[in-house]
Amino acid sequence: EPEVTQTPSHQVTQMGQEVILRCVPISNHLYFYWYRQILGQKVEFLVSFYNNEISEKSEIFDDQFSVERPDGSNFTLKIRSTKLEDSAMYFCASSEAPVQDKGLFFGSGTQLSVL
Amino acid sequence: AQSVTQLGSHVSVSEGALVLLRCNYSSSVPPYLFWYVQYPNQGLQLLLKYTSAATLVKGINGFEAEFKKSETSFHLTKPSAHMSDAAEYFCALMDSSYKLIFGSGTRLLVRP
Repeated sequence: EPEVTQTPSHQVTQMGQEVILRCVPISNHLYFYWYRQILGQKVEFLVSFYNNEISEKSEIFDDQFSVERPDGSNFTLKIRSTKLEDSAMYFCASSEAPVQDKGLFFGSGTQLSVL
Repeated sequence: AQSVTQLGSHVSVSEGALVLLRCNYSSSVPPYLFWYVQYPNQGLQLLLKYTSAATLVKGINGFEAEFKKSETSFHLTKPSAHMSDAAEYFCALMDSSYKLIFGSGTRLLVRP
């Protein structure tokens, strides 16, 4: 069964460093998302991406964050200068049309620890 | 604004007992509702979805959910709990821009 793949599964970084979280969505999907879950809190929406541009972003997704689909298969989330409060599990998700009927398919997540 | 409320951050049942996880939603338009399960150290797996075709929705692993508009609810049930059902369960609502709004989750504990 096709699945969303995320790498790495764990990332430890120093505060102020840049990190790139990588995702390979399901191959025929066109809608891509990043969510995050801080320990003990809700799963929060960060950004959605369609047709090579951001569709929507949350207030969490400030100028430190960026997304890119550098080729036909990868979808990345970059945090330019990490803060302690960026420590969280980051989930990538993808979907196909009609999204409301299909739902989102999530990867296993990247646990980011900022020290 | 659309929102999802899950009553009970933890639910504990005995193996073989009925599982009932509660979800209420707030939406001014007909909702698209989803249940996801997260097993320890894993991602979010789609259990089932309500997309207005039928009010009783069957999902994987014997779970089902009933959409009740009058109660703005979409509770998740399973007739007989299994040890392998121990996980965290999230109810979610899809908004008009195709993003999911999640509830705070319910951790299901299954006692032997």
